[in-house]
Amino acid sequence: DIQMTQSPSTLSASVGDRVTITCRASQSISNWLAWYQQKPGKAPNLLIYKASSLESGVPSRFSGSGSETEFTLTISSLQPEDFATYFCQHYNSYPFTFGGGTKVEIK
Amino acid sequence: QVQLQESGPGLLKPSETLSLTCTVSGGSISTYYWSWIRQPPGKTLEWIGYIYYIGSTNYNPSLKSRVTISVDRSKNQFSLKLSSVTPADTAVYFCARVGYDTGGWAYYFDSWGQGTLVTVSS
Repeated sequence: DIQMTQSPSTLSASVGDRVTITCRASQSISNWLAWYQQKPGKAPNLLIYKASSLESGVPSRFSGSGSETEFTLTISSLQPEDFATYFCQHYNSYPFTFGGGTKVEIK
Repeated sequence: QVQLQESGPGLLKPSETLSLTCTVSGGSISTYYWSWIRQPPGKTLEWIGYIYYIGSTNYNPSLKSRVTISVDRSKNQFSLKLSSVTPADTAVYFCARVGYDTGGWAYYFDSWGQGTLVTVSS
């Protein structure tokens, strides 16, 4: 199985900050990577697919980049509603696996 | 906009079979791939498997010997069965729709149910 490692596991930031989350794959996954946002007690919500494509309806302050084994999710200016946990997921091969999550907390 | 809703028992005893159903509304179950994903309390997500509307399936090898996913197009539903459950199977179970982009099927998940907590305890 391909292992997905996210860093940091927790991030403290303030409203207006630029935030970057990293996801590393244990082997090349080309650009077959998605990012999700999850709030407590809710289902994940798709933000980014194919590493850098913004899902319809997702604010443009979210962006994704990277390829092969290293990927980043950037929030250009953190908003109050962005405090949540973020997961990456590869879909390069079976089984699809998720990263351990990055919790973005209020500083 | 498509909506998904999980239903099924929330409490099981060890060795029993978990049975959940996902009802799809606001769109047809035909044409798409549909998936089950679970999340133990406080942990990350685990892909369980998917089914295509015509019935073809693919399962996570870690669960393959115990999992069956089926589809009922007449009811716009798909279902999950997980046999011989243990406390390690305690999790929130989500149903989700597989995405499709310009290049074809892309196995990210673009619509999710709200999730249902299944607890396995004696």
